[in-house]
Parts: sequence; C-alpha cells; structure tokens
Amino acid sequence: DVKVTQSSRYLVKRTGEKVFLECVQDMDHENMFWYRQDPGLGLRLIYFSYDVKMKEKGDIPEGYSVSREKKERFSLILESASTNQTSMYLCASSSGTRGKNTEAFFGQGTRLTVV
Amino acid sequence: AQSVTQLDSHVSVSEGTPVLLRCNYSSSYSPSLFWYVQHPNKGLQLLLKYTSAATLVKGINGFEAEFKKSETSFHLTKPSAHMSDAAEYFCVVRGGPTDKLIFGTGTRLQVFP
Repeated sequence: DVKVTQSSRYLVKRTGEKVFLECVQDMDHENMFWYRQDPGLGLRLIYFSYDVKMKEKGDIPEGYSVSREKKERFSLILESASTNQTSMYLCASSSGTRGKNTEAFFGQGTRLTVV
Repeated sequence: AQSVTQLDSHVSVSEGTPVLLRCNYSSSYSPSLFWYVQHPNKGLQLLLKYTSAATLVKGINGFEAEFKKSETSFHLTKPSAHMSDAAEYFCVVRGGPTDKLIFGTGTRLQVFP
C-alpha cells in the first residue's frame, strides 16, 4: 500500500514563528502536493512538485514556500505564521510523468493552529 | 483552465434510499475525474476514477459515477445509502500539461436512520 506520512497530526504555533510541515511518501512517486482544507472551500492547492528540486505555485502560494531535496520528502514552510494560516494541511503524492493522469494518495493531515 | 463545481454543499438521505451527489466540470483537455471521500478525522480515500475508458465507473462501497461529456457532468450515485456513508465527498478534475488536481468545495452527506 502507498503510504504518505505527515510528521504531525496537530500543531500549535505562535504568530510570527517559522513553521515546517513535513511529508514523506514511500512509493517513489514523482509528484507531491500540499493543500489546505477549510470548511466550505474544499481543498486548495498551495504548491506542487513534479521532481526533485522542482516546484510550481498552486492557487494560494502567498505566505508559503516549499522544499524538495529528496524524491520522497516534500516540506511546506510558513515563513512567518499568521492566524489566517490556521487550517488543515494535506500532503499528497502521485506517480506518472507530467500529463499522465493517475490518482493521488493523501496523508492524514496536519491541523495547524496559529495563536 | 480547469474547474469543478459540486452543486450541493449538503445532501441528506434516509438509510436504504438512493444517493445522488452532483458534479460538473470544466476542462480544455480530456479530463481525468475522481471522487474522493473523507470520513470525520480521517484522510481522503479514493472512491473511483474516470480516465477515458468506460464512461460508467464502479468504485468501492457500491458507489458508481457516469461521465457525460455532453453535459460535462460526473455525478456520484449509490442505490442504497448506509449509515457508514455519512462523510464529505469531493469531486476532482485533472488533466492538461500539469498533474494538478483541482478539487470541488465538497458535499457533506448525512444519512438518517
């Protein structure tokens, strides 16, 4: 079974802190994604990566950055956390080259609260 | 550009009655379409997917969906709801030169005894 593991289920951080959310997948997938999930808004794409050291902005990249130094790991960074970044963060991975459509597999999510 | 619209934010049914969750999509490419389910405090699980093979797609737990290109729809159905079907359901479109998944805003399904 594909496994996508997010390092924390729950996090509480203070405004202005630098926050790292880590995601690891064990299926050698090329593509990895970070979404945030808010009630009534569904899942919105923050960033995605289709290869090591490659990244593309999603729909809501402001206030976030990402790092993919190894194929299995994709990190989401909140440079200076703000209360409007309180949300559920979901990581996903999928196989395939660009343009080949396959489903994504999701981690359990990290519920981040910024106080 | 691609987008997906889930036409109902909430759907309530009685146990044993049919379920219909509606989804319309927009895509400049031949899309792949997916339905995911999320139970409370759980991750997202793939229910079924359409990738240009058969237009009627069968998924897990008795769900199925029909791809209708002329109507740009991909509605999710189940003949008989079970209490365990209560969850949030997301319709997802993917296609074109990137592998981005575009999510709908979700439909919360309630099942009453």
